Amino acid sequence: AQKVTQAQTEISVVEKEDVTLDCVYETRDTTYYLFWYKQPPSGELVFLIRRNSFDEQNEISGRYSWNFQKSTSSFNFTITASQVVDSAVYFCALSEARDKIIFGKGTRLHILP
Amino acid sequence: NAGVMQNPRHLVRRRGQEARLRCSPMKGHSHVYWYRQLPEEGLKFMVYLQKENIIDESGMPKERFSAEFPKEGPSILRIQQVVRGDSAAYFCASSPQRSGGEKLFFGSGTQLSVL
Repeated sequence: AQKVTQAQTEISVVEKEDVTLDCVYETRDTTYYLFWYKQPPSGELVFLIRRNSFDEQNEISGRYSWNFQKSTSSFNFTITASQVVDSAVYFCALSEARDKIIFGKGTRLHILP
Repeated sequence: NAGVMQNPRHLVRRRGQEARLRCSPMKGHSHVYWYRQLPEEGLKFMVYLQKENIIDESGMPKERFSAEFPKEGPSILRIQQVVRGDSAAYFCASSPQRSGGEKLFFGSGTQLSVL
């Protein structure tokens, strides 16, 4: 069965600090997809990234970067030089081929000015 | 290019009443997913529908909950005889193809409060 674990329930950092959000997943499939979504205080979920199981290249997008390691079944998300606008709940998610997306419980990130 | 539209944004019901939550997917999307979010619980999958078909309802409670996605009109999540435990945010998402790699586009959610 597929499962996503986000062990960090809540994190607080001071603005401009770097912060890493952890995500560990479980799946029996060799083909699967990993996602990160952001849920700002307004409530709507915003797609951030999708990664398939065959592509272990790390990705950087501005201040955001993602570290995918199949050996440890992890897909961690780092925000560099955090800003107050990064305050949100961040969800890691997983889907197996042609199956629904399941989400972790989320990490609530507070960026303090 | 309207996104996924959910209404109402907020819905208040008394115990025993019915709740109807509506979701219009993005234009061109024929796959709809419903998720429920309880405080500190993340998003729980409820049901996946294509036009006129329920594909996967493994996350749907067996009683009182039903969903449909008719040929014309929005998808409807219906909760009969609501109880306090049904209070949650209900999110709808859509995709152009079956998930499993496809990213989902989410609506703003419906916050259901049961008094």
